[in-house]
Amino acid sequence: EIVLAQSPGTLSLSPGERATLSCRASQSVSSSYLAWYQQKPGQAPRLLIYGASSRATGIPDRFSGSGSGTDFTLTISRLEPEDFAVYYCQQYGSSPHLTFGGGTKVEIK
Amino acid sequence: QLQLQESGPGLVKPSETLSLTCTVSGGSISSSSYYWGWIRQPPGKALEWIANIFYSGSTYYNQSLQSRVTISVDTSKNQFSLKLRSVTAADTAVYYCARQEGFYGYYFDYWGQGTLVTVSS
Repeated sequence: EIVLAQSPGTLSLSPGERATLSCRASQSVSSSYLAWYQQKPGQAPRLLIYGASSRATGIPDRFSGSGSGTDFTLTISRLEPEDFAVYYCQQYGSSPHLTFGGGTKVEIK
Repeated sequence: QLQLQESGPGLVKPSETLSLTCTVSGGSISSSSYYWGWIRQPPGKALEWIANIFYSGSTYYNQSLQSRVTISVDTSKNQFSLKLRSVTAADTAVYYCARQEGFYGYYFDYWGQGTLVTVSS
C-alpha cells in the first residue's frame, strides 16, 4: 500500500501570503493519478487538482499543483479568506489501491 | 448538475451491519466513464477510501476492510449501496458517496454531503 505523508500538519499564514503544501509518497506515484482536495468544516471535500497539475472546473488559478514520482506540491499563490481549510492529497495505484494523505490544515495566523 | 445523496440510519449498534444508500440524480449511474465509491472520515481524522463499483457490478475494495464490506449497484434506481458488517466504535464516521473518474485520473469529482453514522449501544 502506498502511504502519503503530508507536511506540515498545520500551516499558519496570513491572507495574501503564499502557501506551499507537501505530499510525499512511500513509493512512486504516476502523476496522472495524484489529486488534491480542499475540505472546510462540515463540508464534503472539493476537488482542486487532478493529474498532479490540472485544475478542476471552477478552481481559481491561484491554486497550482506540481511534482512527480514521490514528491508533490500544492501551492496557493496568495491566500484568500476562503482558502483557510484542510487539504488532502490522494493517489490511485494498481491492485487497485486508493489512499489519502493525513491532511494539512491551513489556518489564519 | 450531478448530485449524490447518502441515506441510512445514523445510529448502529456494535456487532450489527451498517447499511447506506447513495442516490444519484442529474446523471446516469450507468455511464461507462465513471466509478462510484464510498469514503469515510472518523471525527477529526483523515479520509479513508472504502470501496468502488462500476455500473456493470465490478467491485474494488480497500484491503483493510474487504472482509466486512459489500458494495452493490441498482441501475434501475440510479443508486449504489454499502454494507459494513460487525461494526465497532472505530467505524463511527461521516460516510461520503462520490463519483470517481474512471480513465485518466481516478479522482473523485462529485461528492455527497456525507452522513454521520455513530456506532453505539
